Amino acid sequence: RKEVEQDPGPFNVPEGATVAFNCTYSNSASQSFFWYRQDCRKEPKLLMSVYSSGNEDGRFTAQLNRASQYISLLIRDSKLSDSATYLCVVPRPDFGNEKLTFGTGTRLTIIP
Amino acid sequence: DGGITQSPKYLFRKEGQNVTLSCEQNLNHDAMYWYRQDPGQGLRLIYYSQIVNDFQKGDIAEGYSVSREKKESFPLTVTSAQKNPTAFYLCASSIQEMQETQYFGPGTRLLVL
Repeated sequence: RKEVEQDPGPFNVPEGATVAFNCTYSNSASQSFFWYRQDCRKEPKLLMSVYSSGNEDGRFTAQLNRASQYISLLIRDSKLSDSATYLCVVPRPDFGNEKLTFGTGTRLTIIP
Repeated sequence: DGGITQSPKYLFRKEGQNVTLSCEQNLNHDAMYWYRQDPGQGLRLIYYSQIVNDFQKGDIAEGYSVSREKKESFPLTVTSAQKNPTAFYLCASSIQEMQETQYFGPGTRLLVL
């Protein structure tokens, strides 16, 4: 099983819809999880962190399921500006969280 | 404005040539990182440094070298030993206590001629 696995998509979603995608991780000792957003040909930027069961920030909700070892990102009332690749990032507990494992990303396109 | 800068934005390398990618930050961050990103793959860690004059190999350090003589600067040299250097190179930094939260520079695209 890969350390971090994401559905690459693409997800093509109409504007205003709700979309969700998952990320699975293999190390059950992982304690914190992150979603980064990366626009085309740009650098990744931190979107949300998840330390316990979940986190909500406006239209974005990140949830953690420790039993099944996955985190999800839910985007409500999607905007055209939400089009991007969403990277799931999990620190490696074996390295004191100094090193991060990045998923390959899920590509989201919001259609007008 | 505080941030991370990388230069150049695009870089072309000839066969057998060493090239150096610049990364500078004025965020007063202790830790700095270099990643490469290839299509269809997640970011992979090349080297990282948690303090001046110290650095560690990441997952794919072969063919690369770094230095950390100043807190603000963490240049990456892509040597001729790196046989497949074409990639998008990203530099990042973080505070020591929150290394999971990294701030990235705009990246350098390296192409081999």
